[in-house]
Amino acid sequence: GEDVEQSLFLSVREGDSSVINCTYTDSSSTYLYWYKQEPGAGLQLLTYIFSNMDMKQDQRLTVLLNKKDKHLSLRIADTQTGDSAIYFCAERGNNAGNMLTFGGGTRLMVKP
Amino acid sequence: DSGVTQTPKHLITATGQRVTLRCSPRSGDLSVYWYQQSLDQGLQFLIQYYNGEERAKGNILERFSAQQFPDLHSELNLSSLELGDSALYFCASTESGFTYNEQFFGPGTRLTVL
Repeated sequence: GEDVEQSLFLSVREGDSSVINCTYTDSSSTYLYWYKQEPGAGLQLLTYIFSNMDMKQDQRLTVLLNKKDKHLSLRIADTQTGDSAIYFCAERGNNAGNMLTFGGGTRLMVKP
Repeated sequence: DSGVTQTPKHLITATGQRVTLRCSPRSGDLSVYWYQQSLDQGLQFLIQYYNGEERAKGNILERFSAQQFPDLHSELNLSSLELGDSALYFCASTESGFTYNEQFFGPGTRLTVL
């Protein structure tokens, strides 16, 4: 079945860039997503990328997709303390409905 | 605020019991998804309903069941509860069951089984 892997933890200093990485196995993935989960809250969609794109930029967020290596990354420029959260990578394969497969989440800690 | 509501926010119960979690999708959304988030299993898709009909099934146990009602709200029923069922249960909704639109997540119901 599909599998999505992420590193567990990332710590950066305020103002630095953060790069969160994700690998996936499903070659039929059509859309790939980044969700943010703050403590005690639900998941909030940050951005997504269609599988035929290499890069997508949205303000401080840059998503890079290497489809050959099945590697996705999320870069947060000028990271702020408010960016501290768990970030989930998710992929949508070519399946019935819109079922998402999530990675285990990367906890981002931003130090002042 | 995503527009998806879930009740209750917290639920504490004992092993062997049965509980019902409720989800109201965003206005106009026809499709509802249930996910379970636990420490050991991460975030897992359980089941999807579209306009009252089951559309897709994930890692949902036989002790669990769900339904979507004519007013489009959905309920997830968990029975014969075990300690390992303690988790955060999320509901998400999309306008359609076929498009690749964003899934809007509710705030979740935290279930604790003692």
